[in-house]
Amino acid sequence: AQSVTQLGSHVSVSEGALVLLRCNYSSSVPPYLFWYVQYPNQGLQLLLKYTSAATLVKGINGFEAEFKKSETSFHLTKPSAHMSDAAEYFCAVSASSSGSARQLTFGSGTQLTVLP
Amino acid sequence: DAGITQSPRYKITETGRQVTLMCHQTWSHSYMFWYRQDLGHGLRLIYYSAAADITDKGEVPDGYVVSRSKTENFPLTLESATRSQTSVYFCASSEDRARETQYFGPGTRLLVL
Repeated sequence: AQSVTQLGSHVSVSEGALVLLRCNYSSSVPPYLFWYVQYPNQGLQLLLKYTSAATLVKGINGFEAEFKKSETSFHLTKPSAHMSDAAEYFCAVSASSSGSARQLTFGSGTQLTVLP
Repeated sequence: DAGITQSPRYKITETGRQVTLMCHQTWSHSYMFWYRQDLGHGLRLIYYSAAADITDKGEVPDGYVVSRSKTENFPLTLESATRSQTSVYFCASSEDRARETQYFGPGTRLLVL
């Protein structure tokens, strides 16, 4: 079965610094990969997704992620953090195993804090 | 209003009571999903539906029942609530099960005493 590991349940960065949120996945078939963001007391919204096209994916709010098959990674980055980026971020993989249909599996989330 | 809505937004109930959480979407998406969100677990799929009258179990279906008589509605029922079902519940919808974006509702915070 597929799985997602997000390294670091809490990440703190200074405003203006690089944001790097790590995501590794396991899948026996080519995966589709997603990053979602959740602001306090809200549902999740899509930041970006990889569905077997370009390996460098650009999303909303200046975020991007690179699919690296050799490293089974899909890390999320943003060159310069803004206070409004403070939120919880979820990586998700859509894959299948043993011939079953694909389904979406979420990581446990990374809480991003942006320090002034 | 267009989009995906959930009701109620907050619910307190007692152990053993039946509770129904409502989900409504206006996009006519084929797929609808119910997740629960707990600290340290991310989101876990409870049930999903591919179309009206077609539902299937997810990762954690025990203690829950769903139905989908109309495309736009996907209610989730806790037949006899337990404290372990205290959680935040999210409904989502999408055009496709695997590769398309899932659109999430605002969530329902459920406390079982």
